[in-house]
Amino acid sequence: SQELEQSPQSLIVQEGKNLTINCTSSKTLYGLYWYKQKYGEGLIFLMMLQKGGEEKSHEKITAKLDEKKQQSSLHITASQPSHAGIYLCGADMDTNAGKSTFGDGTTLTVKP
Amino acid sequence: NAGVMQNPRHLVRRRGQEARLRCSPMKGHSHVYWYRQLPEEGLKFMVYLQKENIIDESGMPKERFSAEFPKEGPSILRIQQVVRGDSAAYFCASSPWQGGGFEQYFGPGTRLTVT
Repeated sequence: SQELEQSPQSLIVQEGKNLTINCTSSKTLYGLYWYKQKYGEGLIFLMMLQKGGEEKSHEKITAKLDEKKQQSSLHITASQPSHAGIYLCGADMDTNAGKSTFGDGTTLTVKP
Repeated sequence: NAGVMQNPRHLVRRRGQEARLRCSPMKGHSHVYWYRQLPEEGLKFMVYLQKENIIDESGMPKERFSAEFPKEGPSILRIQQVVRGDSAAYFCASSPWQGGGFEQYFGPGTRLTVT
């Protein structure tokens, strides 16, 4: 079974529309990270969330971690073609593990 | 400050050959992680190393795969006798601290193709 479930698997939106990507775990997460990956390239760090109820924003992207620290959402407002790519959530499933567990990613396409 | 460097960016090997993937962490980072991304899949943890030490290799296949991070020089992920199923993107990440709670900085990846 997948420790981190990401949904949806893929998303196609019209430019200017808002969208949300979810990342869910059955376990308490000790750190939750959002990355963006362009096809064929490496991962770009977006945001890190650690506290229950925490919310962070950068430009038009907002990420939240729920109070239980088991679910996170990434929300993009007024999407643009530059937002297109694969969004990955990663998490520390153990307080001192070091390694991260990743979801399978959400492929976002933004139609102009 | 240069980011995480990986080379080569693309590697083609025939079945049975050896593949060597290199990763130079960010300056000041002594923790290196290797992940594999199979086509259409997410990242899967392989191994976590500090200088001269393997901390966690729970994600490494038992055979043909090995990793090292010597005192001097880059971290090396070595795949012996490659098979078609080894074709994937291999990413290296580094962090300055041990344990969780700190973002990992990723390299651009090495795309291995086994023919």
